Amino acid sequence: DAGVIQSPRHEVTEMGQEVTLRCKPISGHNSLFWYRQTMMRGLELLIYFNNNVPIDDSGMPEDRFSAKMPNASFSTLKIQPSEPRDSAVYFCASSPWTSGEETQYFGPGTRLLVL
Amino acid sequence: AQSVTQLDSQVPVFEEAPVELRCNYSSSVSVYLFWYVQYPNQGLQLLLKYLSGSTLVKGINGFEAEFNKSQTSFHLRKPSVHISDTAEYFCAVRPPGNQFYFGTGTSLTVIP
Repeated sequence: DAGVIQSPRHEVTEMGQEVTLRCKPISGHNSLFWYRQTMMRGLELLIYFNNNVPIDDSGMPEDRFSAKMPNASFSTLKIQPSEPRDSAVYFCASSPWTSGEETQYFGPGTRLLVL
Repeated sequence: AQSVTQLDSQVPVFEEAPVELRCNYSSSVSVYLFWYVQYPNQGLQLLLKYLSGSTLVKGINGFEAEFNKSQTSFHLRKPSVHISDTAEYFCAVRPPGNQFYFGTGTSLTVIP
């Protein structure tokens, strides 16, 4: 298996622009997580889905952030409009939910820089 | 509610010396326990996990951890570290069927 795939790996954009981060979970995993990592705040859970349904989005910082999971093999995290404080590494992770294999598998991350 | 506390934010250790990275957790329900490692500019990788059974868990790269229910701890140990162990280490808990809760991480620096 190719593991969790994220694109792009790096993104540089200007303040005010829309940013879309993409994630393909491991096939057969039915839960998906979006995290943000910064030096100041460490690893933060933004939102997670179970069977394509958002379960908890309390970590989404504000309305500028939105996430979708239209099917079991694809998810997006969108920031509109972007701000410099959104600069961070964004990780996607997937996991089986209740199969007994509880491990979470992380993608390589998207390094976002908002100028 | 769940919480994870990693007591040391930075741990410097000389090469070939032993190391222990501490993790305590708080939870009102039973949880699964994990240690992840993050090498520079990479995603998190699973190091080891405790789901049930023996409280001493062995992971990759010579690491092991011991679950102590009474002390609600899951400390990570390695008897002899290598330069390549320099990385960020995250402890995490997961109530079955629920999300993961991560600690703030411990930066391990192995000194030649």
